[in-house]
Amino acid sequence: DGGITQSPKYLFRKEGQNVTLSCEQNLNHDAMYWYRQDPGQGLRLIYYSQIVNDFQKGDIAEGYSVSREKKESFPLTVTSAQKNPTAFYLCASSIAQGPLYGYTFGSGTRLTVV
Amino acid sequence: SQQGEEDPQALSIQEGENATMNCSYKTSINNLQWYRQNSGRGLVHLILIRSNEREKHSGRLRVTLDTSKKSSSLLITASRAADTASYFCATPPRGGSNYKLTFGKGTLLTVNP
Repeated sequence: DGGITQSPKYLFRKEGQNVTLSCEQNLNHDAMYWYRQDPGQGLRLIYYSQIVNDFQKGDIAEGYSVSREKKESFPLTVTSAQKNPTAFYLCASSIAQGPLYGYTFGSGTRLTVV
Repeated sequence: SQQGEEDPQALSIQEGENATMNCSYKTSINNLQWYRQNSGRGLVHLILIRSNEREKHSGRLRVTLDTSKKSSSLLITASRAADTASYFCATPPRGGSNYKLTFGKGTLLTVNP
């Protein structure tokens, strides 16, 4: 079955550490996205990528980095510069004109700072 | 920046009743989409209505769009306990980047058995 896989489901980070969240899709989608969700809040866009080797900052990119070396993969690194990283992170993908048709989401990674 | 705002923030109904959620947005849109999120899970795309459409149906879901009022409503008929979830509206602003789909804060629907 086609879909998006996010791993791990739960992740714990110590202060000062960088951590990487994985997002893989086998839907042959061109575009991929990372959103952050805080309790009781909507989704805020961190980064998005329309094609391989290209990505753009979203609304809250500070303290995060991404890469898009393969069409199927869009990993997100939460760096030590991100002062409040505890949140639920959602990866999504879509065809090239995604917002005109809709997104497919992964099941999320819950990141907690310990 | 947030484009859509859902109302109410929370809604509690009995199984079998209808549930209505509203979404207001600020700028002109290409389309408006509704998503469902079960607790602790990812979002699932429910339905998309284009700016030149006024009403759309999908199973027990009915979506309306009023572009003059910049608002949309999602009606779930004959609700079931399994409909318990958060519901989000999302829009790609017309003229803006087609890749920046923005979401509201959601309506938490609880359907009591």
